[in-house]
Amino acid sequence: ETGVTQTPRHLVMGMTNKKSLKCEQHLGHNAMYWYKQSAKKPLELMFVYSLEERVENNSVPSRFSPECPNSSHLFLHLHTLQPEDSALYLCASSQDRGGLKEAFFGQGTRLTVV
Amino acid sequence: AQKITQTQPGMFVQEKEAVTLDCTYDTSDPSYGLFWYKQPSSGEMIFLIYQGSYDQQNATEGRYSLNFQKARKSANLVISASQLGDSAMYFCAMREGSNFGNEKLTFGTGTRLTIIP
Repeated sequence: ETGVTQTPRHLVMGMTNKKSLKCEQHLGHNAMYWYKQSAKKPLELMFVYSLEERVENNSVPSRFSPECPNSSHLFLHLHTLQPEDSALYLCASSQDRGGLKEAFFGQGTRLTVV
Repeated sequence: AQKITQTQPGMFVQEKEAVTLDCTYDTSDPSYGLFWYKQPSSGEMIFLIYQGSYDQQNATEGRYSLNFQKARKSANLVISASQLGDSAMYFCAMREGSNFGNEKLTFGTGTRLTIIP
């Protein structure tokens, strides 16, 4: 059991749709992340939240909008996506304060944009 | 420049044999951590092992060990007595720790390991 749960596991959406990905962690961690995993590319960090404040945004297009209402939940709101946004979206959490601790990942949401 | 380099896109290994997955890294930060993750077909990234830049000894976790050669900036993963369940993608990652609150993990492109019965 991972401790980090992502829903839905699979999502197919049209380019004009609006959808949200959800991530929940029960590990007591203070930092949460969104990663994008495309085929044959390294995982790309999208957003980092530490203590519910966004601390990093890696030049992600505005059609991706994160939300962190509390330290246990993280959302990624999607709107007007492009086919190239199809990928596996992974959520992770870790203890923060600069400690070099491992991050724990969810099982990901496989997103297909049609 | 790539911060994490994994030069083996795929490997095939006979069951019960040991396997070494290569990883080299690039950083000027004196404080960093190196991680290995396993990603089975289910998609979840499973943490395997961690090595801190100041750790004197190589990390070990069960059948996993990390061959840390700091001067060469390499952090190879060694899996002893491989099992069919070890078939998966393996990712090397690094976190540079000098910046307060810097939690970013940088990943390599991964190695697909297939264990042959």
